[in-house]
Amino acid sequence: DGGITQSPKYLFRKEGQNVTLSCEQNLNHDAMYWYRQDPGQGLRLIYYSQIVNDFQKGDIAEGYSVSREKKESFPLTVTSAQKNPTAFYLCASSPVPLGNQPQHFGDGTRLSIL
Amino acid sequence: AQSVAQPEDQVNVAEGNPLTVKCTYSVSGNPYLFWYVQYPNRGLQFLLKYITGDNLVKGSYGFEAEFNKSQTSFHLKKPSALVSDSALYFCAVRDGGSNYQLIWGAGTKLIIKP
Repeated sequence: DGGITQSPKYLFRKEGQNVTLSCEQNLNHDAMYWYRQDPGQGLRLIYYSQIVNDFQKGDIAEGYSVSREKKESFPLTVTSAQKNPTAFYLCASSPVPLGNQPQHFGDGTRLSIL
Repeated sequence: AQSVAQPEDQVNVAEGNPLTVKCTYSVSGNPYLFWYVQYPNRGLQFLLKYITGDNLVKGSYGFEAEFNKSQTSFHLKKPSALVSDSALYFCAVRDGGSNYQLIWGAGTKLIIKP
């Protein structure tokens, strides 16, 4: 079945450490997205990518970095510069252009501070 | 400014009764509107969308939504609620001039009591 796989499901970060969240899709979608979800708030866009080797900052990119070397993969690195990283992180994909097509979501990674 | 409002943090409904989850929006241009559902510790699942045409849109799991342009609303409805409908519901809108960014509501927790 086609879908989006996020790993790990749970992740713990030590002070000063960078951690990388994995996102892989087999839907053949060109566009991929990373969102952060905090309780009581809607989804906030961190980064998005329309095509391989290209990505743009979203609303809350500070302290995060991404790469898009393959169409299927869009890993997110939470750097030590992100001072409040505890959140639920969601990866999504959609055909390009987005048009009237919905985004498909993975099951998320929950990141906590040790 | 573009925005989406879900005025109720939580909606409580008895099983078998009709349910409504409210959403209002503000965008420039013609809106593309979406509803998603999220179960605990899972990603978001697409329910339905309005792009153009009939104001009453039917979606997954018996849900429907009514687009009202004059009231800038897109309320989610179901004639008879099930306990299994209990979840977090998100409304999202895309400005017709933006290809990639969705604007998300803060979410409404729906609780269906037996």
